[in-house]
Amino acid sequence: NAGVTQTPKFQVLKTGQSMTLQCAQDMNHNSMYWYRQDPGMGLRLIYYSASEGTTDKGEVPNGYNVSRLNKREFSLRLESAAPSQTSVYFCASSEAGGGYGYTFGSGTRLTVV
Amino acid sequence: QKEVEQNSGPLSVPEGAIASLNCTYSDRGSQSFFWYRQYSGKSPELIMFIYSNGDKEDGRFTAQLNKASQYVSLLIRDSQPSDSATYLCAVFNSGGGADGLTFGKGTHLIIQP
Repeated sequence: NAGVTQTPKFQVLKTGQSMTLQCAQDMNHNSMYWYRQDPGMGLRLIYYSASEGTTDKGEVPNGYNVSRLNKREFSLRLESAAPSQTSVYFCASSEAGGGYGYTFGSGTRLTVV
Repeated sequence: QKEVEQNSGPLSVPEGAIASLNCTYSDRGSQSFFWYRQYSGKSPELIMFIYSNGDKEDGRFTAQLNKASQYVSLLIRDSQPSDSATYLCAVFNSGGGADGLTFGKGTHLIIQP
């Protein structure tokens, strides 16, 4: 199925470990986003990429880095994981900066112990 | 600061009744309005969008928009237990920066059999 693919679906990390969450879309969308979702907090924007070659900080960027590898792929890296980064992470993409809505990936459930 | 407000619920509605979900937004320049449904443990799924004042119907779902009151609602007719989910309201302003949609925290809807 066409859409947004995230890997992995589940991950357990120890404090201080690093990892990269992968996201790829095959809809030729220009814009891509990384969110985290915590109970009672809603979706919070970590980083976004309005177009290939650009990335910008969102609401909660601390502890994360991103790479827009090409038009299809947008990765999120945790350099030194902390328990506060335990969350569900969603990647999303959009055609026109959000004007037609987003398509979300299936999410990555990350636990940092 | 762009804000989207929703009652977190839970909103409990008997099966077969009309569920009414409400959302207010602060950015008067918002142009596009979206409703996402999110089942527990799943990613948000776009179910309705509306751009113009008034009502938009799609099957059992009706989105209502009142830009003067900065108010969006979603009506679900003949509610079914499968409608039990969290419903996220999102708004978009093309002149509001490249960070895409602004999401509410969602309303948890429970349809009682």
